[in-house]
Amino acid sequence: EVQLVESGGVVVLPGGSLRLSCVTSGFTFDDHSMHWVRQPPGKGLEWVSMISWDGITTSYEDSVRGRFTISRDNTRNSLHLQMNSLRRDDTALYFCAKDRGALAPGYYIDSWGQGTQVTVSS
Amino acid sequence: DIVMTQSPLSLPVIPGEPASISCRSSQSLLHSDGDNYLTWYLQKPGQSPQLLIYLGSNRASGVPDRFSGSGSGTDFTLKISRVEAEDVGLYYCMQALQTPCTFGQGTRLEIK
Repeated sequence: EVQLVESGGVVVLPGGSLRLSCVTSGFTFDDHSMHWVRQPPGKGLEWVSMISWDGITTSYEDSVRGRFTISRDNTRNSLHLQMNSLRRDDTALYFCAKDRGALAPGYYIDSWGQGTQVTVSS
Repeated sequence: DIVMTQSPLSLPVIPGEPASISCRSSQSLLHSDGDNYLTWYLQKPGQSPQLLIYLGSNRASGVPDRFSGSGSGTDFTLKISRVEAEDVGLYYCMQALQTPCTFGQGTRLEIK
């Protein structure tokens, strides 16, 4: 069974930094590209970033490019999102998600974690 | 960026009746491999999204056969042949043809 478990979400001040992590199991991690998707309170899904199986290709949504960095550790089956210069509109539930394919862009997201809550507030 | 537009945004349905959601993309989602890179998800209340339909028309494992996806290019449709109470939630389409990947606004299905 595929499992994706996010952690690292907290309350942080505007301008602050945070690192989200996603530990995975139940599949061959380095056969798949991975995504971060977020959902602001009461709103829809927003794609944030993705990374290819080997970590070489990354892509970002415009509003986070230059502030967020996606990375992966294939030796530890884990995905990360370093978030800097956080803004109030980054407040959201952040989901780790697995792609069916290995490349970026991939095919489609086929599995989701339960999410970790990030709140940017003073 | 590819813009995804869903309609309707709210869908009240009587149990046992059919339902249909439209998703239109600002660019064709037809890949050179012949597949449409359009996916449908359902987010039930308080849960993470779950995969319903992938590559336009393929039902995911465990998804009831009352759900079906159709369309090609820029116009896609999710149909539920007979709505059940457990189908309530937010339905999203998403394109993964190119990055940034993009979602539709979501369609809220509720039981009348």
